[in-house]
Amino acid sequence: QVQLVQSGPEVKKPGASLKVSCKASGYTFISHGISWVRQAPGQGLEWMGWINTYNGNTKYSQSFQGRITMTSNTSTSSAYMELRGLRSDDTAVYYCTRVPATPSFYFDHWDQGTLVTVSS
Amino acid sequence: SYELAQPPSVSVSPGQTARITCSGDALPKQFAYWYQQKPGQAPVLVIHKDTERPSGIPDRFSGSSSGTTVTLTISGVQAEDEADYYCQSADSSGSYPVVFGEGTKLTVL
Repeated sequence: QVQLVQSGPEVKKPGASLKVSCKASGYTFISHGISWVRQAPGQGLEWMGWINTYNGNTKYSQSFQGRITMTSNTSTSSAYMELRGLRSDDTAVYYCTRVPATPSFYFDHWDQGTLVTVSS
Repeated sequence: SYELAQPPSVSVSPGQTARITCSGDALPKQFAYWYQQKPGQAPVLVIHKDTERPSGIPDRFSGSSSGTTVTLTISGVQAEDEADYYCQSADSSGSYPVVFGEGTKLTVL
């Protein structure tokens, strides 16, 4: 069965960088993209970006342009999301999601998420 | 920016039908997707491409589309359906490939 397993919770200081990992199993990694979605406490869902795990192409939300980088490693079936210049409003649960191989972006599998707390 | 409008809350009694709407100008041209999120859990895809139900999702969940509004219908609502529901789509220009509605809290009375 499809599984996405993310790295554990993080506590960061303002201005620091964050890197979350997501290890996929149960399907052919390069056949599906990976997107990252976050959810601040008590708030809705916010899409951050997408990586094509076959060729490494990325597409980022305008809200994060310039401070986000998504990468993937086909040998370990893992994806990574790095967010720089953390602020207190980056405190959120960060979800790794699988994107089916269609022209549209949507998310058919989600991990349980990684809680990131940004506080001085 | 592009926005999808959902009602903040919907309440129904068990066994009744719940309808949650999502409105957006690009919905006639773009597919909509629906996610269910229970407290403390990750979202789960319940409807894709406006009307299709993923395997494992009960058939009481259905989706429909009419003009600029898509609707998630839950027939014969059960207590376990109490959750937040989010619609997701895209704008027509490609500037906003993923947009989520603000979510609707479904309360089962």
